[in-house]
Formats: sequence, C-alpha cells, structure tokens
Amino acid sequence: NAGVTQTPKFQVLKTGQSMTLQCAQDMNHEYMSWYRQDPGMGLRLIHYSVGAGITDQGEVPNGYNVSRSTTEDFPLRLLSAAPSQTSVYFCASSRDSRATRNEQFFGPGTRLTVL
Amino acid sequence: RKEVEQDPGPFNVPEGATVAFNCTYSNSASQSFFWYRQDCRKEPKLLMSVYSSGNEDGRFTAQLNRASQYISLLIRDSKLSDSATYLCVVNPNTGNQFYFGTGTSLTVIP
Repeated sequence: NAGVTQTPKFQVLKTGQSMTLQCAQDMNHEYMSWYRQDPGMGLRLIHYSVGAGITDQGEVPNGYNVSRSTTEDFPLRLLSAAPSQTSVYFCASSRDSRATRNEQFFGPGTRLTVL
Repeated sequence: RKEVEQDPGPFNVPEGATVAFNCTYSNSASQSFFWYRQDCRKEPKLLMSVYSSGNEDGRFTAQLNRASQYISLLIRDSKLSDSATYLCVVNPNTGNQFYFGTGTSLTVIP
C-alpha cells in the first residue's frame, strides 16, 4: 500500500512551458485534491475531485487544469508556466470529504521552479 | 474573513514545557476538525482528529469549542522531536473542500 504518490519530486521549467504533475493513490479514495504551498500563505486549494469524472475549482485554479478519468489518478496540468507558479505542490486524498473520519493523506510533494 | 485562522508563532519553548495552540474557524456548520503536523519541506501528516468531547493521544490533547468556534491543541512534556509546524484543518462536510490554517511554528529548545 503506497498511499499517495507524486511525480516528479523536483522540476525546473522555463516560462511558457507546459507540464503535468502526476498523482496516484491506491486507497480507493473518492476525494482527491491539489494544493500549492507558498511561504507564509499556507496550503491553498487549486482543484479537487469528489469522484471519477467530477472535478471542480478551488481557491487558486487559474493556469491549471485537472482531469479524473479513474479513481486512482488525478494529474495536474500547467498550461503555460509562469514564475508565479513556483511553489511546492501537494496532492491529497480522502475517503469522502462528507464522511466522518475523513482525514486527508498527502503525497510527498513536487517542488517546482519556473524560470 | 479567512475560513481558518491560526497564530503563526513562532513558539519557542524549552524541553518539558507545556504549550497550547488555538485555531478559530468561521463556518459554524463545520463538522470535522483535525490537527496536522508538517516538518520542514515535507508533506503534512495527520496528528489527530478533534472530537466534540475532546480527545487525548499520549502527550497531545485536542479540544473543540463549538460555541466560540475554535479548536485547540495542547502538548505536554515537549520533546525536541515535537519541533514542527502544526496545521489546523476544518472540513464543513459539504463535499467541497478542507480549509487549512497557515500553521503555527513550534521549536523545542534543549
């Protein structure tokens, strides 16, 4: 049981490049989400999904796309990278955000630098 | 107003001390509450859930005050290994999202 996995761990992009951050979980969790964490800002929600085929925007969705074709995978796409997207990105999953004992489990993070 | 607010600290305490953190939340309908621990450059990890009646796990005690809309975390007999950032998390259980505080930094000094 690997939990939540993310790849890559580190990435450097040039402004304007696109890329996909991968996230997978093997706990059969319905709810998955992407956060970015910047110094002094805490975790901010980018996009989330309550199940396969269903996604929605969080607090800071601009510049990012997501899809959820399977329960296990929830990739985050940066369409045209900008220096403002330099951050640490965390993927998280939980059994069901409406259930009790619905704590989130986090992946190890992707540290992205956009030059 | 932010959904969840925490005092960022830092809290610098000697080994063996007792330290308490508070966190306030704005949505009175919130149903689930958690404390997470985050070490430098690592992912947040669940420390403990917070139940209505309060709960304890070893040296850690969490409490919920619905009337005043805050949760608290008490750490007794602080250890050097307790040094970390502690995140307060609230979930309204609407199927939407979890709300995170910005975290409280704790350093336990020898």
